[in-house]
Amino acid sequence: GQQLNQSPQSMFIQEGEDVSMNCTSSSIFNTWLWYKQDPGEGPVLLIALYKAGELTSNGRLTAQFGITRKDSFLNISASIPSDVGIYFCAGHDGNTGKLIFGQGTTLQVKP
Amino acid sequence: ETGVTQTPRHLVMGMTNKKSLKCEQHLGHNAMYWYKQSAKKPLELMFVYNFKEQTENNSVPSRFSPECPNSSHLFLHLHTLQPEDSALYLCASSQLPSGGSSSYEQYFGPGTRLTVT
Repeated sequence: GQQLNQSPQSMFIQEGEDVSMNCTSSSIFNTWLWYKQDPGEGPVLLIALYKAGELTSNGRLTAQFGITRKDSFLNISASIPSDVGIYFCAGHDGNTGKLIFGQGTTLQVKP
Repeated sequence: ETGVTQTPRHLVMGMTNKKSLKCEQHLGHNAMYWYKQSAKKPLELMFVYNFKEQTENNSVPSRFSPECPNSSHLFLHLHTLQPEDSALYLCASSQLPSGGSSSYEQYFGPGTRLTVT
């Protein structure tokens, strides 16, 4: 089945630094979603992308839908301690109707 | 209540017990999902209900039995589980295409942390 490669697996950064993570797929998706999961909680939707090339911001978060429709990235600017968590990308497969999730990027921020 | 709620938040059960997980969505969505989240693994889709009809069973063992009495409620009945079934079970909902607005965005509940002893 379809798989998403999400990288990096984990990041340990200093407060105030910018962060970038990305997802790539061997297949085309028509929607990319980015989620954040705090420990002991469910994933929370951060950004949804629906058009190839689309660049969308949500506060300090910016995500882009790759022009090939096979990749997406998420940037976090000026990180703060509450950005700690696991970030997941998800692509919507228009053929199966399923959301395919990446393995997650664990972010740790040192104050 | 808003969003997607799940009860209980934590559950410890023996291998011979029968228990049920409950999910309720307050978003007016028409599709609901069960996912399993194990450590170091991507989210695994278990079941999909679209307009109360089960449309997906992702090769899930029969010891997991879903029930969707209406578009707002979803249950997962558990029976004779194995220790490897210990995981976080997440419920999600979305609004699938139905004559107008649609979104592939899925909204998750907080999950039930299940431990099978």
